[in-house]
Amino acid sequence: QQQVKQSPQSLIVQKGGISIINCAYENTAFDYFPWYQQFPGKGPALLIAIRPDVSEKKEGRFTISFNKSAKQFSLHIMDSQPGDSATYFCAARFQDDKIIFGKGTRLHILP
Amino acid sequence: NAGVTQTPKFQVLKTGQSMTLQCAQDMNHNSMYWYRQDPGMGLRLIYYSASEGTTDKGEVPNGYNVSRLNKREFSLRLESAAPSQTSVYFCASSVEETQYFGPGTRLLVL
Repeated sequence: QQQVKQSPQSLIVQKGGISIINCAYENTAFDYFPWYQQFPGKGPALLIAIRPDVSEKKEGRFTISFNKSAKQFSLHIMDSQPGDSATYFCAARFQDDKIIFGKGTRLHILP
Repeated sequence: NAGVTQTPKFQVLKTGQSMTLQCAQDMNHNSMYWYRQDPGMGLRLIYYSASEGTTDKGEVPNGYNVSRLNKREFSLRLESAAPSQTSVYFCASSVEETQYFGPGTRLLVL
């Protein structure tokens, strides 16, 4: 019940294309859904986040779509660039500040 | 403002040796965390501390101990290292739902 399932494990997208990463959860006690971006040799950093009372959040080229009834959320990266090549983690937070991470998606944008 | 710092950056241990991973944050955050990251497994919570003087187990606490020395520092100790503890260890602190991660410690146990 505490899992966050993320897919795909890896993704290759042409420059300028749309990258889509999907996540699903079971526990309805989660109250916050962040996405973290990690470059090789670095720690993860918050990219964008959404609360379950909102269906979509957009920040620049990054959009989270949230479907509360299906317990699914996804990250869309529009006009994907080589600099977006990184590992992306979806996550879900409990009210006690604990965060459960998905297993990650390694994204590679072809130049 | 250094954010979250971790020492050492890299360490090689022999099975059975002990060591302490150090973490400090200068952002005055109450909550701090230790994670391990393994290929294909994502980030798994080892221990966390909601405030100075409190600690709680996460998903994978076996083989580890922690100390929240003060508000700034949160250390992770391996009493008797095992090859299964070969991993990259991240410390994080949080405020208002955002976690800030350190650069990581890469640990190899032979």
